[in-house]
Amino acid sequence: KAGVTQTPRYLIKTRGQQVTLSCSPISGHRSVSWYQQTPGQGLQFLFEYFSETQRNKGNFPGRFSGRQFSNSRSEMNVSTLELGDSALYLCASREGTATSTDTQYFGPGTRLTVL
Amino acid sequence: AQSVSQHNHHVILSEAASLELGCNYSYGGTVNLFWYVQYPGQHLQLLLKYFSGDPLVKGIKGFEAEFIKSKFSFNLRKPSVQWSDTAEYFCAVRRQAAGNKLTFGGGTRVLVKP
Repeated sequence: KAGVTQTPRYLIKTRGQQVTLSCSPISGHRSVSWYQQTPGQGLQFLFEYFSETQRNKGNFPGRFSGRQFSNSRSEMNVSTLELGDSALYLCASREGTATSTDTQYFGPGTRLTVL
Repeated sequence: AQSVSQHNHHVILSEAASLELGCNYSYGGTVNLFWYVQYPGQHLQLLLKYFSGDPLVKGIKGFEAEFIKSKFSFNLRKPSVQWSDTAEYFCAVRRQAAGNKLTFGGGTRVLVKP
């Protein structure tokens, strides 16, 4: 099976703009989670979607939002970009059949730079 | 607050040396435990995981980890490292009561000198 894919791999934006990142999960996986990775804060959970519904949300401002489509692909959006939003954004997918044995598999990430 | 601590930020060792990376978490209840590795320029990959049963789990590439519930620890070990083990290692905890959110430790950068 193909792994988790994320597009684009690199993005450069300026402050105040908005950005949309895309994630395609492993075939058959119904859950997608998003994480932000920065040198200062490490890996932090943003949110999780399962069957087009947000199931869990991390401690990020409302400028960060996401959605999931019926084919399980997911997008996350960041509005009014700030310099501190520069990070590697990781998407992870899991089957979603049973929490107790499910494992998240990560994509390569989208490197966002805000100037 | 929930937290996951990795004791060492950087580790430098020579090939064939043994490696042990510490991981502690600070909350009770049922947890699932993971070690992920991020090789230079590559994405996070799962090394091993613990859900239940034998607290000594074996993963890929000769890695193993031991879950000690009384110490809230899940330390990663490898008896003899290779230069190709140079990477950043992340411990992650999923608290079953909190859904599927993974809480990560700060990571440990391991440099193996040839």
